[in-house]
Amino acid sequence: AQTVTQSQPEMSVQEAETVTLSCTYDTSESDYYLFWYKQPPSRQMILVIRQEAYKQQNATENRFSVNFQKAAKSFSLKISDSQLGDAAMYFCAYRRYNFNKFYFGSGTKLNVKP
Amino acid sequence: GAVVSQHPSRVICKSGTSVKIECRSLDFQATTMFWYRQFPKQSLMLMATSNEGSKATYEQGVEKDKFLINHASLTLSTLTVTSAHPEDSSFYICSASTGTGELFFGEGSRLTVL
Repeated sequence: AQTVTQSQPEMSVQEAETVTLSCTYDTSESDYYLFWYKQPPSRQMILVIRQEAYKQQNATENRFSVNFQKAAKSFSLKISDSQLGDAAMYFCAYRRYNFNKFYFGSGTKLNVKP
Repeated sequence: GAVVSQHPSRVICKSGTSVKIECRSLDFQATTMFWYRQFPKQSLMLMATSNEGSKATYEQGVEKDKFLINHASLTLSTLTVTSAHPEDSSFYICSASTGTGELFFGEGSRLTVL
């Protein structure tokens, strides 16, 4: 069974600094997708970034980037130049290729200090 | 990104009554939608996969007769909580997957059963 683990229940970062959120997953599949979703206090889930397992290059979206280590089954999210609006719950998610079911981690609450 | 709209955002009902939550994909057709339940400070728990024109697929432990799901069209899925009880109080989130493999979420519905 696929499992997604986020070992950091809560993290804090100073505004303008960089923070890295950890995620590991367990799968026997070779083709899959990985995602980071953000859930702000408004509770709506927002896609932050996605990574296809077949791509060796790490995905980046402006201040957000990932460190995808396929062999280690690790998928961390780096947030650079943190902003107050980045404060939210962040969920790591896994989806098998050609299969619609998503598996979510337990989430990491990110606090951004002014 | 694709837009998924969920209604109502908040609902309060008396114990024993039924409540319907709607989930619409506004700018794309969704053959598959997903219903999640989220307890406070916890991750998303997949309840069921809603398939257009066919029966929903429920996750283990989810009562089919309590949580009725109907996916009548390519843009609308509904979740009806029947004979609601206080323990059904929760945050319910719908989502839909596009052809790009990403999952887009509705705003969520907070159900409070008195």
